[in-house]
Amino acid sequence: QVQLVESGGGVVQPGRSLRLSCAVSGVTFSRYAFHWVRQAPGKGLEWVAVISYDSSLQYYVDSVKGRFTIARDNSKNTLYLQMNRLRAEDTALYYCVKDSSYLDYFDYWGQGTQVTVSS
Amino acid sequence: QSVLTQPPSVSAAPGQKVTISCSGTSSNIGSNFVSWYQHLPGAAPKLLIFDNNKRPSGIPDRFSGSKSGTSATLGITGLQTGDEADYYCATWDSRVSAVVFGGGTNLAVL
Repeated sequence: QVQLVESGGGVVQPGRSLRLSCAVSGVTFSRYAFHWVRQAPGKGLEWVAVISYDSSLQYYVDSVKGRFTIARDNSKNTLYLQMNRLRAEDTALYYCVKDSSYLDYFDYWGQGTQVTVSS
Repeated sequence: QSVLTQPPSVSAAPGQKVTISCSGTSSNIGSNFVSWYQHLPGAAPKLLIFDNNKRPSGIPDRFSGSKSGTSATLGITGLQTGDEADYYCATWDSRVSAVVFGGGTNLAVL
């Protein structure tokens, strides 16, 4: 049974940093790409970033480029999202999502971790 | 404003059929596979359709997908109250090197 469990969310002031983690089990982690997808309050789903199975490729939505970094540790079956210079508009529920292969479709989702950026 | 365009809401009576459209461009839907997700309140989104028209195991055949040119469509037949949710289309956009979602469609089963 594939499980994705996010952690690391919380309340943070604008301009500060936060690192999200996602522990993955029930699948050979190192074989797949993984994504972060977020949903702001009252808004739709927004894709944030993807990382390839071997970390050689990462892509980001324009609004987080230069501020967020997606990373993974295949020895720990864990996905990360380092979020720097946070803004109020980054407030959202952040989902860790498994790709079926690479840049294909999302076959498993975590339950999400809430990030609130507020002074 | 989302790259992919969906109607904000649709509604139909129980037992009826509904379709949800997703309109894009040649750099996204026109050249890549489309997937569809169901998002129930308080739950994680769930994959309904992948590669334009394929259903994962466990998804009933009441759900179907199709694609033509730069548009895709999700169809749901035999509507049930449990189908009330937000539905999203998604695909890769080769021009901007990003996954793009539709804005979501809220389905009401009246």
